[in-house]
Amino acid sequence: AQSVTQPDIHITVSEGASLELRCNYSYGATPYLFWYVQSPGQGLQLLLKYFSGDTLVQGIKGFEAEFKRSQSSFNLRKPSVHWSDAAEYFCAVGPYSSNTGKLIFGQGTTLQVKP
Amino acid sequence: DTEVTQTPKHLVMGMTNKKSLKCEQHMGHRAMYWYKQKAKKPPELMFVYSYEKLSINESVPSRFSPECPNSSLLNLHLHALQPEDSALYLCASSQGEGLQGQKAFFGQGTRLTVV
Repeated sequence: AQSVTQPDIHITVSEGASLELRCNYSYGATPYLFWYVQSPGQGLQLLLKYFSGDTLVQGIKGFEAEFKRSQSSFNLRKPSVHWSDAAEYFCAVGPYSSNTGKLIFGQGTTLQVKP
Repeated sequence: DTEVTQTPKHLVMGMTNKKSLKCEQHMGHRAMYWYKQKAKKPPELMFVYSYEKLSINESVPSRFSPECPNSSLLNLHLHALQPEDSALYLCASSQGEGLQGQKAFFGQGTRLTVV
């Protein structure tokens, strides 16, 4: 079955500290992988995506993610967190070879930033 | 213009009411989507329109009726909803069908409350 697991429901970090949000996926084929961020009451904003090539992907707002096929993981990282990064983060996977619009989302990780 | 605009931002409706949610984009995107997001949950795909034709209906109850009058507009007509339909309804668009192959843009959502 296709699924995305974000093991951490809630994470709290201090401002300026580094951040890593975990994402594991189960997929029968080569996937497309995404990270989205959602501020309270807002829509989703794409942070970054991985299709192929370099397994370290750079995104907006200083975020990066690394695709590790052997571990079925696509963890999101940021070297220094800002208070404005507090939000809900969703990892998502989509089919590589199909043109469906369906993304499978993880349950999300809530990031809280301490001053 | 890189925005997806959804109106209204908030909607409260009774179970016997008929209302519509609207979504508009002027990026020339040819695929548009409706997602439903319950509180503290990830978004779930409802419908996909590609070139103004319905291409995916994720077994959504008939009390939700999508409409794509032209390439820039997407409506979601609501009738005889239930309280459990209360959620954030997100519209998204992408250049072609398949969120996984495109950079998708999400609207801010309509917060729907059914009383």
